[in-house]
Formats: sequence, structure tokens, C-alpha cells
Amino acid sequence: GAVVSQHPSRVICKSGTSVKIECRSLDFQATTMFWYRQFPKQSLMLMATSNEGSKATYEQGVEKDKFLINHASLTLSTLTVTSAHPEDSSFYICSARGDRENTEAFFGQGTRLTVV
Amino acid sequence: AQTVTQSQPEMSVQEAETVTLSCTYDTSESDYYLFWYKQPPSRQMILVIRQEAYKQQNATENRFSVNFQKAAKSFSLKISDSQLGDAAMYFCAYMRDTGRRALTFGSGTRLQVQP
Repeated sequence: GAVVSQHPSRVICKSGTSVKIECRSLDFQATTMFWYRQFPKQSLMLMATSNEGSKATYEQGVEKDKFLINHASLTLSTLTVTSAHPEDSSFYICSARGDRENTEAFFGQGTRLTVV
Repeated sequence: AQTVTQSQPEMSVQEAETVTLSCTYDTSESDYYLFWYKQPPSRQMILVIRQEAYKQQNATENRFSVNFQKAAKSFSLKISDSQLGDAAMYFCAYMRDTGRRALTFGSGTRLQVQP
């Protein structure tokens, strides 16, 4: 299957700072990327959907000014958690889908964010 | 809105035995896809099996098979000849065939495999 690389795998940041998470499709063009959040022992909750070159679509309850998503190219989407707080600590996972892979989304390895 | 329900938070199976994980969903769509994903301790999401709603034949991938009952909106996963490496969280997921095609996940079932 196609490869999606997410970086970093782990990050610790101080309260009030911002942290950027990258999601790259390595061997296909990702026209659509999805960002999920997973709390411990819980399921994946969709945060937002991004299409290359357009603004992200956020799910209800997700603050778009806190979770900035950029999908500037067909191989890269970024999630920036701004002014991080301890309650933002979570596991964030991206997935990507191309035009030809429209029935399967490929997942990155995930990023464990800890805000101290 | 679509919902996916997994009523078994935990399941246990003996190595080499068979186990079935349950999943039900709710949708008003006629065209959609259903998936089972495995999430091991590494937390990498791994696609186990996929079912197109328009196909009556149940999907099979080696030791993994599904029982897809469209009218009942049920989509169970059967794991045959269970192996220690099958131990993981299993998520059932739904995807519409139109629009953003985002996945809606169930709450997950933790599968333990006893040696």
C-alpha cells in the first residue's frame, strides 16, 4: 500500500507555545488529507478535512484558530496546535487519500503530543 | 449523521481458535464502504478488510472474513486460527461513497489472544 509519513512521532512542548505536525504522502498525490485525534483508550475522532489548495473543513466543536491546517501541496499537510494547553495533549493521526485511492485512506504513524 | 457501534469493549480468544467481533452502523445512504482497522500497541492504523455495500459477497482476506448484513446494518469480523500477533484494538469504520469520504469509527474492541 501507499506510504504516509507523519512527523514527529512524539513531541513535548510548553504551555503557550505552538507545535507543528507534518503529514506527507511519499508515493502518491494526496488530494485529501484528514486529521484525527485519539484520546487514551478511545476511538479516532475526525478533526478536519483538507483538500490541496483550499481551506480545511473543520468538524463541529474543533477550534479552527487553535488547530491550523495547511495543505499547500499534494504531498504535504500540516497541523499546527497554537497556544497549546495541557488539555491539547493527545495522539494525533493523519490519513491521506488520492484520486485513484478513493476507497482507502492511508494512515501516518501518529504523533503523541504532550503539553507541560 | 452516520454512527458506528461496537458493543464489545474487550474480547479474548485462545490461540488457534476463532473469534467474531461485532459492529453495527446507522446510515440512510445506499452506497458506502465498511472497514475493519487494526491498531496494535504501536498505534499504527492497519487496514484489515474492506467491504463495498453494493457487493453481496462477504469480503475475505486470508484468516479474516466479514459477515455483512446490509438490511440489518451489521458488519462483523471473524478471525480464524487466531495468532498472538492478532492482539490489538480493532475499529470498525464507515465511509460514504460521496462527499469528503471521511471515516467514521466505532469505539473499538480490544482483542486479547491467550497462548
